Amino acid sequence: GENVEQHPSTLSVQEGDSAVIKCTYSDSASNYFPWYKQELGKGPQLIIDIRSNVGEKKDQRIAVTLNKTAKHFSLHITETQPEDSAVYFCAAQRGAGSYQLTFGKGTKLSVIP
Amino acid sequence: DAGVIQSPRHEVTEMGQEVTLRCKPISGHNSLFWYRQTMMRGLELLIYFNNNVPIDDSGMPEDRFSAKMPNASFSTLKIQPSEPRDSAVYFCASRLAYNEQFFGPGTRLTVL
Repeated sequence: GENVEQHPSTLSVQEGDSAVIKCTYSDSASNYFPWYKQELGKGPQLIIDIRSNVGEKKDQRIAVTLNKTAKHFSLHITETQPEDSAVYFCAAQRGAGSYQLTFGKGTKLSVIP
Repeated sequence: DAGVIQSPRHEVTEMGQEVTLRCKPISGHNSLFWYRQTMMRGLELLIYFNNNVPIDDSGMPEDRFSAKMPNASFSTLKIQPSEPRDSAVYFCASRLAYNEQFFGPGTRLTVL
């Protein structure tokens, strides 16, 4: 089955700096890669996703890059703000018809004011 | 839309007791998922329903766990008897067709 590795497990940055979280996956058939943000006491919320026919996707301060050859994808947050502090999860899924999301173990991001 | 609704939000019970967690998916969504989140194992899929039918229950840890979806707007996850190692946060998620999964706020279960 699919295996998703996520690094780092914790990340502290100064407000205004950038944060990068990296994930690798094992199943070459995976082609959908969402990123979720989980705030304390809440469920994961989708913040951005990318499909394998796209190399990069951006939404305001958040961007995701995908390298299918190397089987890794990354989340980039620029101009970080205290409200970006949360746990971020990457995930991988096979095909549009699939349902199985395999999650990474999460990265706890702390943005220091 | 109110989003995915789960109840209770917190549950504390004693070992051996029956626990029932409840979920109301987003109206119109036809797929429902139950996940368990622990520090050690992260987010794990327990069971997946499509159009109220269980499609994949391979993640259900033991026969002590069971899940039902009697209609499109309600699902339950039951643990009987509960054990301390079942302590975790349980999430319900729903989606429409093959779109994104929307997660509920979770139920934090503590089994003493």
